[in-house]
Amino acid sequence: EAQVTQNPRYLITVTGKKLTVTCSQNMNHEYMSWYRQDPGLGLRQIYYSMNVEVTDKGDVPEGYKVSRKEKRNFPLILESPSPNQTSLYFCASQRRLAGGETQYFGPGTRLLVL
Amino acid sequence: AQSVAQPEDQVNVAEGNPLTVKCTYSVSGNPYLFWYVQYPNRGLQFLLKYITGDNLVKGSYGFEAEFNKSQTSFHLKKPSALVSDSALYFCAVRVSGRKSGGYQKVTFGTGTKLQVIP
Repeated sequence: EAQVTQNPRYLITVTGKKLTVTCSQNMNHEYMSWYRQDPGLGLRQIYYSMNVEVTDKGDVPEGYKVSRKEKRNFPLILESPSPNQTSLYFCASQRRLAGGETQYFGPGTRLLVL
Repeated sequence: AQSVAQPEDQVNVAEGNPLTVKCTYSVSGNPYLFWYVQYPNRGLQFLLKYITGDNLVKGSYGFEAEFNKSQTSFHLKKPSALVSDSALYFCAVRVSGRKSGGYQKVTFGTGTKLQVIP
């Protein structure tokens, strides 16, 4: 089954404790992206990757890191989480970088930073 | 800068009645427009998109949307609502054409919660 998976689905942590949210897709997609969803703000892009070893900042990259060492994986790293990073996070992928391509989303990771 | 507006935070409709979820956009250039749906505790699922051609686009689960260039709108519609349509709906826009560096940003609206009342 074609899908985007994320782990963990739910996470409670404390300020300053490094964490990683994994994202993996099995569709051989070139383009991957991370979003955060907050009430009243919709989805905002954190980082994106156009291919292996090619990443760039989205609209709200502060406090986040990413890497793309393999085509299928695109982990999101919070080196020192803070309460304002409490949010619902989505990973997405699309086949290639073309404007009309559809994005496929993972199930989401709900993060609470105390 | 491109933007998307979904003017209604929530839309309530009785089961069996037609539904409309509104979306307007602003871009420099020709837009690609998308609708996604999010069910509780799930990721976003693609419903339909407008690339070019026919202004009326048909998508999954009986939904359709009409691209109106003069009004810069892309409203989502369904002739007869089902209780199972209750969800959060997002409109998104991406400008067409190839930007220097190859990346076209996609912008999402803030979402509209659709409540279908039995």
